[in-house]
Amino acid sequence: KAGVTQTPRYLIKTRGQQVTLSCSPISGHRSVSWYQQTPGQGLQFLFEYFSETQRNKGNFPGRFSGRQFSNSRSEMNVSTLELGDSALYLCASSLDGQGNSPLHFGNGTRLTVT
Amino acid sequence: QKEVEQNSGPLSVPEGAIASLNCTYSDRVSQSFFWYRQYSGKSPELIMSIYSNGDKEDGRFTAQLNKASQYVSLLIRDSQPSDSATYLCAVYSGGGADGLTFGKGTHLIIQP
Repeated sequence: KAGVTQTPRYLIKTRGQQVTLSCSPISGHRSVSWYQQTPGQGLQFLFEYFSETQRNKGNFPGRFSGRQFSNSRSEMNVSTLELGDSALYLCASSLDGQGNSPLHFGNGTRLTVT
Repeated sequence: QKEVEQNSGPLSVPEGAIASLNCTYSDRVSQSFFWYRQYSGKSPELIMSIYSNGDKEDGRFTAQLNKASQYVSLLIRDSQPSDSATYLCAVYSGGGADGLTFGKGTHLIIQP
């Protein structure tokens, strides 16, 4: 069974630009969660989508948004990029949602903002 | 804000010994608990999940949960150099703004 696939693996953007990250979950998984990982803050929760609906949202500004499609694939968008947005962005899928089944992570997208 | 606390380490353990990793959490109503392993430059991978009090064993790994003390631990028996990694504890307390909350991890070093 294929794992969680994230594209692209690496991105370099300039302050003020916007970026879209993509995630394809494990087949059959209906929940997709996004996390930001930095050395100082660790893994921080961005949002969770389940059956195309945002189920939970972390404490990030409105510049961070996402969506989920009918095939469970998900995208995350960050607008008006800031230097502090440089991080590893991890997508994870689960069968029935965060509380009911474990998360399985993709390889991540490394975003660098200059 | 829900908190998950781990000793950052590094925790150094001789090869073949038992490594003991600990985690405490702040929300009493937490219901699901997970241990992930993360190698440097890689993404987290699931090791164990535990949902009820007591011990759960899987190969060389044992997860222990004590909800009264708000404490979850991971034991690694017969530690191998390949076990050297950062171990992340994750706790789910019903969603909301915290989602599945991760600790910052314990860096484990197995010395040959």
